[in-house]
Amino acid sequence: DADVTQTPRNRITKTGKRIMLECSQTKGHDRMYWYRQDPGLGLRLIYYSFDVKDINKGEISDGYSVSRQAQAKFSLSLESAIPNQTALYFCATSETGYIQPQHFGDGTRLSIL
Amino acid sequence: AQKITQTQPGMFVQEKEAVTLDCTYDTSDQSYGLFWYKQPSSGEMIFLIYQGSYDEQNATEGRYSLNFQKARKSANLVISASQLGDSAMYFCAMREGGGTASKLTFGTGTRLQVTL
Repeated sequence: DADVTQTPRNRITKTGKRIMLECSQTKGHDRMYWYRQDPGLGLRLIYYSFDVKDINKGEISDGYSVSRQAQAKFSLSLESAIPNQTALYFCATSETGYIQPQHFGDGTRLSIL
Repeated sequence: AQKITQTQPGMFVQEKEAVTLDCTYDTSDQSYGLFWYKQPSSGEMIFLIYQGSYDEQNATEGRYSLNFQKARKSANLVISASQLGDSAMYFCAMREGGGTASKLTFGTGTRLQVTL
């Protein structure tokens, strides 16, 4: 089983719908992250959380919200989806420390029509 | 200013040859980590190798090595004995300091194509 699991893997939805992307991990890491990937732009950070009571905005948090339900679960919500939120979304986890790598889930391909 | 710069949008290499993927970075922190990730066409992000700013020796991991030149602020990935399965996007990333400033900043990637 994957250490970092994202659901769903693919989602097509309509403008204005509320969408939730879920992430769960079995690595026991405190830190969890949500990224978005657009072609030619690399990955950009949406939100991150260092523990259950700690939520921080990343560089592109507008239009998104998150919930850290437990150490192992971190959800990303799009309250009212718009077409330019069409992207590949990644959840990642890491241990504390700047030399610790982040480990990614397999991604969710989200298309908003 | 870009924190991570990958100047090679695409690279070709013949099977069994070595290839170097370039990465330069910009930071004023003394403590930072540099990472390389591989993204095959299936989309997942695979961690390959990392280098800490205080590491004196270049990191190696199997066929991957990181050519770390601190004064030049470069952290190039070297893949030896390329294989067809190495064809993918490769991203360089940096993590600065600790505490709240520990997010990864990614470059725009290099697409590597390994040919017969």
